[in-house]
Amino acid sequence: DGGITQSPKYLFRKEGQNVTLSCEQNLNHDAMYWYRQDPGQGLRLIYYSQIVNDFQKGDIAEGYSVSREKKESFPLTVTSAQKNPTAFYLCASSIGGLDSDEQFFGPGTRLTVL
Amino acid sequence: SQQGEEDPQALSIQEGENATMNCSYKTSINNLQWYRQNSGRGLVHLILIRSNEREKHSGRLRVTLDTSKKSSSLLITASRAADTASYFCATPLSGSARQLTFGSGTQLTVLP
Repeated sequence: DGGITQSPKYLFRKEGQNVTLSCEQNLNHDAMYWYRQDPGQGLRLIYYSQIVNDFQKGDIAEGYSVSREKKESFPLTVTSAQKNPTAFYLCASSIGGLDSDEQFFGPGTRLTVL
Repeated sequence: SQQGEEDPQALSIQEGENATMNCSYKTSINNLQWYRQNSGRGLVHLILIRSNEREKHSGRLRVTLDTSKKSSSLLITASRAADTASYFCATPLSGSARQLTFGSGTQLTVLP
């Protein structure tokens, strides 16, 4: 089955720890995105990548880092510098190109800082 | 940098009724998308309407776009309990067509 997967589904972290959220897609999409969603809110863009080995900051990149070493993978690290990391994190991918297009979303990772 | 905003924030209707949600945005766009999110899940793309289109249908969904008013509406006809979800509009971020910005969503509850 083609799709986009995220792991783990739930993640608990102690304050001061870095954690890495996994995002994998087998849709052969060039573009990948990370969003943060807080309760009752819309999505805010953390980072995006239009192609392998390239990524750009979104609106709320502070305290987060990413890498894009492979087309299929776009892991997100939540660092200890992120002051309020408890949230629902969504990864998405799209074909990429000159125009904005349909984004395919993973099931999300719910991160809770204890 | 939020571009789109949905209205109403919450909507509760009976099964079989129609549900209408609205989205307003601020700058010129080349397309607008609607997504659905079930509680605790990822978003699912519903429909994309381009700036040169005024109306688009997909099954029980009807989307309109009025670029002069910078607004769009999503109509779900003959709603079902399974339509209960949050609905978001998404528009390209001004100056960067590949990035999308999402509104805060409309929470639709369809009562059986």
